[in-house]
Amino acid sequence: SYELTQPLSVSVALGQTARITCGGNNIGSKNVHWYQQKPGQAPVLVIYRDSNRPSGIPERFSGSNSGNTATLTISRAQAGDEADYYCQVWDSSTEVFGGGTKLTVL
Amino acid sequence: QVQLVQSGAEVKKPGASVKVSCKASGYTFTSYDINWVRQATGQGLEWMGWMNPNSGNTGYAQKFQGRVTMTRNTSISTAYMELSSLRSEDTAVYYCARGRGSSSWYGDWYFDLWGRGTLVTVSS
Repeated sequence: SYELTQPLSVSVALGQTARITCGGNNIGSKNVHWYQQKPGQAPVLVIYRDSNRPSGIPERFSGSNSGNTATLTISRAQAGDEADYYCQVWDSSTEVFGGGTKLTVL
Repeated sequence: QVQLVQSGAEVKKPGASVKVSCKASGYTFTSYDINWVRQATGQGLEWMGWMNPNSGNTGYAQKFQGRVTMTRNTSISTAYMELSSLRSEDTAVYYCARGRGSSSWYGDWYFDLWGRGTLVTVSS
């Protein structure tokens, strides 16, 4: 089965840029989606199809996907960005989620 | 208001079944597939399967085959997920989520609308 690998945690200083990676075999050939989940809340879609932002998501959130790694980039990180982030792809008729990354804003 | 409203928390004994509902409002229920995703406390997201509200067709993750049933009642725009033979490891928050097509491949979805989740606790 297809596996997605995310770092357990990423830290970023307030106002700096955070990058969260999602690794998978030839993931560049797939559509990658990203979700933000704050404690006690449902996930929220922040990036779909590699690099598209849903309405209401700040331009500070961007995504890229190439080769074996997809990346979610959060520019000018704010305290409110502190959350768990999950990547997701579709493979062999199955939706697959990464294990999640906890983003800490220092 | 576009939303998915889920039923309330449940406590079940091992071996029992649970049925969680997910009521859609603010959009045409039959136009988008409903997926179910669960999350154990402190753990990641785990996809369980999908249900097409228009046709009633379903697809389940291999892990849940034989134990999960997804259905719908189109007259009240509500999807259901029933999980049987419950065990302690099934204790989790269960989410319904609306699937949007990411490509021409059926099943290649992203989830743009989520319910708030239903906590299912399995305990003797």
